[in-house]
Amino acid sequence: KAGVTQTPRYLIKTRGQQVTLSCSPISGHRSVSWYQQTPGQGLQFLFEYFSETQRNKGNFPGRFSGRQFSNSRSEMNVSTLELGDSALYLCASSAGQESGELFFGEGSRLTVL
Amino acid sequence: DQQVKQNSPSLSVQEGRISILNCDYTNSMFDYFLWYKKYPAEGPTFLISISSIKDKNEDGRFTVFLNKSAKHLSLHIVPSQPGDSAVYFCAASVPGNTPLVFGKGTRLSVIA
Repeated sequence: KAGVTQTPRYLIKTRGQQVTLSCSPISGHRSVSWYQQTPGQGLQFLFEYFSETQRNKGNFPGRFSGRQFSNSRSEMNVSTLELGDSALYLCASSAGQESGELFFGEGSRLTVL
Repeated sequence: DQQVKQNSPSLSVQEGRISILNCDYTNSMFDYFLWYKKYPAEGPTFLISISSIKDKNEDGRFTVFLNKSAKHLSLHIVPSQPGDSAVYFCAASVPGNTPLVFGKGTRLSVIA
């Protein structure tokens, strides 16, 4: 069974640009969550999608958005990039059940210059 | 406000000895706790979990202890091996389809 796949793995953008990150969950998993990891801040929850609907949302500004497609693949978008958006963005999938274990991808490393 | 706290950013242990990683939480509604391990350039991987109805869960060299009254859990690794060197994240969730809340992580270094 293939794991969670995230693309691109690395990318460099400049301030003011926008970026789209993609995540393909484990086959059969209907829930996709996104987390931001920065040095010293751990994993901070961005949002979760389940069956194409945003089910939970973290405390991030509206520049951060996401969506999920009918095949459970998900994208997240960050507009008007700021230097502080430089981080590792992690996608995780689960079957969607309560207290479910999350399966993480390797992440997309975003650097904003 | 950090609901899940890992107060030790780093820990260094000799190979063969016990590693104890600690985690405190503030939300009394948390009923499920997990530990994840993360190597550089990889995503976190699930290690072990514990439900609030238990106070201990064991899986091979890994044991998690939960003290609900103290709102504290710990991960014990015995014996520690160099391959255990990684960042360990504590996570918790409340009942229902809610997101996992993670701590900031503890970097464990096992020295041969």
